Amino acid sequence: GEQVEQRPPHLSVREGDSAVIICTYTDPNSYYFFWYKQEPGAGLQLLMKVFSSTEINEGQGFTVLLNKKDKQLSLNLTAAHPGDSAVYFCAVRIMDSNYQLIWGSGTKLIIKP
Amino acid sequence: DTTVKQNPRYKLARVGKPVNLICSQTMNHDTMYWYQKKPNQAPKLLLFYYDKILNREADTFEKFQSSRPNNSFCSLYIGSAGLEYSAMYLCASSPGLGGREQYFGPGTRLTVL
Repeated sequence: GEQVEQRPPHLSVREGDSAVIICTYTDPNSYYFFWYKQEPGAGLQLLMKVFSSTEINEGQGFTVLLNKKDKQLSLNLTAAHPGDSAVYFCAVRIMDSNYQLIWGSGTKLIIKP
Repeated sequence: DTTVKQNPRYKLARVGKPVNLICSQTMNHDTMYWYQKKPNQAPKLLLFYYDKILNREADTFEKFQSSRPNNSFCSLYIGSAGLEYSAMYLCASSPGLGGREQYFGPGTRLTVL
């Protein structure tokens, strides 16, 4: 079945620097992709939903890139600020009868002043 | 309003005792999910309701029960808590199945002693 590998598990960058989190999936039939952010003590906040047909997706302060050839989904924070400190999860849905999301294992991002 | 609410936020339970967690949403979403999340792990889907139909994961089938008395509310019931049930329990809802994004509540942190 589908497997999603997320890396790195931990990432520490200085305020103003960029940060990149990558998820690699295995099933070529993956068609919906999600990035979620979990701040301390809070639930999961949906950052972006990506369709398989869209390779570049712009958000506020971040870009999500989908590379279908390499089966990679990346979250790129352009200029990190303290509010970006959180755990980030990717999730993937494939085209089958099971409606589950397949989750990455998470990346703990720390923004240093 | 994309708010999913969970009660209580924190729950302390004794081994062998029952636990009942509550989730509500007012978005008229068809589907409500329950996840278990432990530190440094991805969320694990326990079960979900699509309308009135309950779907439980095979490996958690006997451990968790749920009810959905109406579209807005969904409960998660543990008949006899064990130490291994200590975790964050996340409720989510979505407007259907398939590629629909899931909106998460803040979670209930369950500690079993």
